[in-house]
Amino acid sequence: NAGVTQTPKFRVLKTGQSMTLLCAQDMNHEYMYWYRQDPGMGLRLIHYSVGEGTTAKGEVPDGYNVSRLKKQNFLLGLESAAPSQTSVYFCASSYSRARKFFGPGTRLTVL
Amino acid sequence: DQQVKQNSPSLSVQEGRISILNCDYTNSMFDYFLWYKKYPAEGPTFLISISSIKDKNEDGRFTVFLNKSAKHLSLHIVPSQPGDSAVYFCAASPYGGSQGNLIFGKGTKLSVKP
Repeated sequence: NAGVTQTPKFRVLKTGQSMTLLCAQDMNHEYMYWYRQDPGMGLRLIHYSVGEGTTAKGEVPDGYNVSRLKKQNFLLGLESAAPSQTSVYFCASSYSRARKFFGPGTRLTVL
Repeated sequence: DQQVKQNSPSLSVQEGRISILNCDYTNSMFDYFLWYKKYPAEGPTFLISISSIKDKNEDGRFTVFLNKSAKHLSLHIVPSQPGDSAVYFCAASPYGGSQGNLIFGKGTKLSVKP
């Protein structure tokens, strides 16, 4: 099992560009999440999904959109990237309300 | 308002000694607590958890203690090993919290010196 995988691992964008981060899990988990981690901060929840076709906002959703068209995939989109979105993005999945399995992260820089 | 606080950004310990990482929380609705460990350039990995109905949970060298009245939990690592050097995040889940959302602390960087 690959667990949780994220694509790409690194990306540099210019302000105003758009991109999509892909998260895939092979554990048949219902719940999937997108977090961001900034220096000196803990992980903050951007959006999450409780099942295929559902999404919901987390703590810091502004500037991001998500889609969960298939159970195993959770996409995070940035329509118009801003320097404040420079961060490390982690996807996670879980089968219970608590324990989560995290992907390796995507390091995004917005110039 | 930070609901989960890890007031020590870093901790340095000698190999073989005990490491104690602390975490405080403010929300009395939290009823499930977890510790995650994170190495550089990797995602966090689950370490140990504790439910609010317990005050201690042990897994090998790792023990988590929960003091509900003080809204405080701690992670003990005995004995500490150089491979334990990582950032440790405390996280909490509220009772009935929507779909398993976790609130994370800012992390404590543990350095175990040989």
